[in-house]
Amino acid sequence: DAKTTQPPSMDCAEGRAANLPCNHSTISGNEYVYWYRQIHSQGPQYIIHGLKNNETNEMASLIITEDRKSSTLILPHATLRDTAVYYCIVGGPNTGNQFYFGTGTSLTVIP
Amino acid sequence: GAVVSQHPSWVICKSGTSVKIECRSLDFQATTMFWYRQFPKQSLMLMATSNEGSKATYEQGVEKDKFLINHASLTLSTLTVTSAHPEDSSFYICSARGPTSGSATYNEQFFGPGTRLTVL
Repeated sequence: DAKTTQPPSMDCAEGRAANLPCNHSTISGNEYVYWYRQIHSQGPQYIIHGLKNNETNEMASLIITEDRKSSTLILPHATLRDTAVYYCIVGGPNTGNQFYFGTGTSLTVIP
Repeated sequence: GAVVSQHPSWVICKSGTSVKIECRSLDFQATTMFWYRQFPKQSLMLMATSNEGSKATYEQGVEKDKFLINHASLTLSTLTVTSAHPEDSSFYICSARGPTSGSATYNEQFFGPGTRLTVL
């Protein structure tokens, strides 16, 4: 079963930062937080992952709270192509790195 | 980044026939691959974990005799939907677990583009 909860939908103005929250209050010490997104009728695309430190790459930033019970994915300058369903997933070696997807957040970037 | 392909991208078949879907890791070896199913407007549901050279592990409620998985090499896993029926119509997605980096214990999954199955 999914160990994460996310708001079902969000809107963001083009060019503004999109902040997508995720709760994972039952995360274990060796479990990572992964973020993926899925554009309609395509396979999920990897965005970023982290364990406890904040992470940044060319796509996004990941902010993980100190108690690791929640995180926020930040798309710094949203574009229309960022419209997708964003999934926050928790996984680790103890569970065979299996991914159990929650319902995700449907992000709509508005012109 | 790592690339995973699926074939075919879509397939239409008659009820009662079997359909095979291939999942390949193109530029890395994957000892573990995963199969998911996604119905319209729903999230991905993990069906099974496929390990190279051993039997697949199926999630609760997934019929192993209905969804046959073979992972015969480090770059290929196949899913065969046997005696398909209209309720098996869905979007089937595979993923491959990426190579372990040094002592890192994380393994992100790289997903294929999916296969749309329609059973008439």
